[in-house]
Amino acid sequence: NAGVTQTPKFQVLKTGQSMTLQCAQDMNHNSMYWYRQDPGMGLRLIYYSASEGTTDKGEVPNGYNVSRLNKREFSLRLESAAPSQTSVYFCASSDQGAYEQYFGPGTRLTVT
Amino acid sequence: QQPVQSPQAVILREGEDAVINCSSSKALYSVHWYRQKHGEAPVFLMILLKGGEQKGHEKISASFNEKKQQSSLYLTASQLSYSGTYFCGKPRSGNTPLVFGKGTRLSVIA
Repeated sequence: NAGVTQTPKFQVLKTGQSMTLQCAQDMNHNSMYWYRQDPGMGLRLIYYSASEGTTDKGEVPNGYNVSRLNKREFSLRLESAAPSQTSVYFCASSDQGAYEQYFGPGTRLTVT
Repeated sequence: QQPVQSPQAVILREGEDAVINCSSSKALYSVHWYRQKHGEAPVFLMILLKGGEQKGHEKISASFNEKKQQSSLYLTASQLSYSGTYFCGKPRSGNTPLVFGKGTRLSVIA
């Protein structure tokens, strides 16, 4: 039982490049989330998926897109990376929106 | 809408107690608490529900104030392993995702 897994763990991009962060959970959870964490800012929600087939914007969605590929997988795409997107990205899952969330180990992204 | 946490940082000696507060401009119907150790992912600690019920995995307690606009997390007889950043989160409404505070950094020293 791996819980929530994320790939890659580290990534360096040049401004304008694109990439997709992958997330998968094996707990049969309905809801999945993408957060970014910047120093002193806490965890800010980028997008979430309350259930398979649905996605919604969070607090800071600009510059990102998501895909809920199936119940297990939720990917985050940066179409044209900017230095302001340098951050640590966490994926999380839960049974429902207001229930205990399980976080993946994070992806540390640097955009130069 | 982001809850406000206080203090921003606190340093304790082993065995001392700590209180971390989480305040909102509107009544809190539930508060979720997470702890994040340096370089790791946040880990769930507990949920405090509006009736005062607590659901958690550790020997940590929490409460609401009278108006339910503030929740306090109580860490008693702190251990070195309690060090980390503590985040509170509250649902935006109903069963929606959480919005988190900026965190309280707790350092426990020997």
